[in-house]
Amino acid sequence: TQLLEQSPQFLSIQEGENLTVYCNSSSVFSSLQWYRQEPGEGPVLLVTVVTGGEVKKLKRLTFQFGDARKDSSLHITAAQPGDTGLYLCAGFLSGAGSYQLTFGKGTKLSVIP
Amino acid sequence: SQTIHQWPATLVQPVGSPLSLECTVEGTSNPNLYWYRQAAGRGLQLLFYSVGIGQISSEVPQNLSASRPQDRQFILSSKKLLLSDSGFYLCAWSVQPAYEQYFGPGTRLTVT
Repeated sequence: TQLLEQSPQFLSIQEGENLTVYCNSSSVFSSLQWYRQEPGEGPVLLVTVVTGGEVKKLKRLTFQFGDARKDSSLHITAAQPGDTGLYLCAGFLSGAGSYQLTFGKGTKLSVIP
Repeated sequence: SQTIHQWPATLVQPVGSPLSLECTVEGTSNPNLYWYRQAAGRGLQLLFYSVGIGQISSEVPQNLSASRPQDRQFILSSKKLLLSDSGFYLCAWSVQPAYEQYFGPGTRLTVT
């Protein structure tokens, strides 16, 4: 059972366009992370959101955590070729002895110059 | 600042051969350490995690094992590789909060 569903799986857009990718679950997470991964490299942590309804901005990237802490979105304004990569969301279920993240399968973004 | 190293970067091994992948972290003490596997550039599957020296938790039954001989060293091993062991292996570390995990550059393993 996939706890975190990401959509779309693939996205190809022209430079300068806006886009939104989604991360959805039926589970409530105590926090949610977004990572970006380039081919042949490890994922790089972009942001952590912990409060329902929280919005964080990182330059042209806007991250939102759903009010019920079951979903999140990533919006990119005026996409650039450097935004190309695999975007992964990961949720953390708090509890005694809990250390693991649950990852979605990712959204593969291609930004065409 | 903290850095994480993995080696080798790439590895091609025949079926039935042993495996040893190493991960080391610098610039932090008593980190939580993790081994993930990623197939076909998609989601990550947690294999093992460790909260201290000699403490290993396994998430997926398989022919792989992990060890933590030193505080900042994490090793992934196998006695006999299977074709299905091919993939991209990632090591990660965290302190507190445990959910902010930082990944190494990965090892690409191809079993032939």
